Amino acid sequence: AQSVTQPDIHITVSEGASLELRCNYSYGATPYLFWYVQSPGQGLQLLLKYFSGDTLVQGIKGFEAEFKRSQSSFNLRKPSVHWSDAAEYFCAVGATGYSTLTFGKGTMLLVSP
Amino acid sequence: DAGVIQSPRHEVTEMGQEVTLRCKPISGHDYLFWYRQTMMRGLELLIYFNNNVPIDDSGMPEDRFSAKMPNASFSTLKIQPSEPRDSAVYFCASSYGADTQYFGPGTRLTVL
Repeated sequence: AQSVTQPDIHITVSEGASLELRCNYSYGATPYLFWYVQSPGQGLQLLLKYFSGDTLVQGIKGFEAEFKRSQSSFNLRKPSVHWSDAAEYFCAVGATGYSTLTFGKGTMLLVSP
Repeated sequence: DAGVIQSPRHEVTEMGQEVTLRCKPISGHDYLFWYRQTMMRGLELLIYFNNNVPIDDSGMPEDRFSAKMPNASFSTLKIQPSEPRDSAVYFCASSYGADTQYFGPGTRLTVL
C-alpha cells in the first residue's frame, strides 16, 4: 500500500521569500503525484500533478514541483511567496491504474509580513 | 462548468438524529468519492463509486454510515444515528477515470 509523509506540520515564510514544502511517498511502481491546497473553510484545489514525462511540473499560482524517484520525493516550490498563499497544502499519491488517492497529513503555511 | 456541489454547507444536529449529506459530481465524471476530514485523522477516504456502483467502502467507520448513488448526478452520505465523534468536514470529490479528483466545498457537520 502507498503512503505519503509530509514532515512539516507548520512552516512560516516571510512574504517575498522562497518556499519549499516537502513530500515523501512510499510506492513500489511509478506513482501518480498531486499537490492540493486548502484555504480555510474551502475544499481542496489542485495545484499540480505528475503522471509521467518531465519530472519538473508547473502548476497554478506560480507553484512547481519536482519528482525525484531516487529520493521518493515530490517537493513543492515557489520562488516568491505572497500573503494569499497562506493555506494548508496536501501531497497525495495514487497508484497506477487505480483511482484512489492517499493523502499526507498536510503542511500549514503561514506567511509573515 | 460547475464544480462539485455539496449541500448543506453546514449542519448542526443533536446526537441520535439522522444526517444526510448530498453531492452532485461534475457532469461526465465516472468516479465519486466521499472523504472525512478531522484534525486528528486528517483526510480519510470513506467510500467511492464507479459508474454509480460502490467499489470500496472499507473506510466507512461503522454501520451507522451508508452511502448511495442512485444516478450519475447525485450521491448521498447518511449517518443514522449520529454521534458527537462524527463531527467533521465531509468532502465529496469526482474524477474521470484514474485522473485528477475535483473536490467540493465540503459540509461541516457538528453533532451536539
